[in-house]
Amino acid sequence: GAVVSQHPSWVICKSGTSVKIECRSLDFQATTMFWYRQFPKQSLMLMATSNEGSKATYEQGVEKDKFLINHASLTLSTLTVTSAHPEDSSFYICSATGAGSSDEQFFGPGTRLTVL
Amino acid sequence: GQQLNQSPQSMFIQEGEDVSMNCTSSSIFNTWLWYKQDPGEGPVLLIALYKAGELTSNGRLTAQFGITRKDSFLNISASIPSDVGIYFCAGQLIQGAQKLVFGQGTRLTINP
Repeated sequence: GAVVSQHPSWVICKSGTSVKIECRSLDFQATTMFWYRQFPKQSLMLMATSNEGSKATYEQGVEKDKFLINHASLTLSTLTVTSAHPEDSSFYICSATGAGSSDEQFFGPGTRLTVL
Repeated sequence: GQQLNQSPQSMFIQEGEDVSMNCTSSSIFNTWLWYKQDPGEGPVLLIALYKAGELTSNGRLTAQFGITRKDSFLNISASIPSDVGIYFCAGQLIQGAQKLVFGQGTRLTINP
């Protein structure tokens, strides 16, 4: 149980285009979802926290107008990278809590974004 | 912001050897977690520690939550090839619901 999926697993896009990444909790209702970014050989950095039906809370230094987060249901959150540039190329990982009584975060498999 | 200092950054060992890595912080954490990440995948939880001084084992893995709540270590005994990967510590703050702060990671390489 407690499976989180992401789609797509990888995406290549041209500079200036927008890319949408989906994060789904497959067998539980996720009260909270988190979005992380991981650059090569670096750690996971939290970008934002989102609760279903409310606006996401962004970490300091993360542009909310560039990284649009929608958490429209208890099983789906989306991250849209708007007007992507090569420096946005990274590994984007989501996690979700809400399975059982603990607040353990279950992580998705990640999405590799490459902006040309 | 809060930071976790994880060491060593990388380890090169022989199969069968024991491994030890640790994390320290200037901040107090409510929970310490240890994750393993394989290339191109998300992290997977190995061990969670909830009480200061707690020592918890999961198979060949043992982790301890420091008594000051500012540090933790992870030991892996009798390493095997599938232990290869990147290990991250993560701390959950007392304030700030559920947010995790990750260490820089320890990259483990095993020579057969």
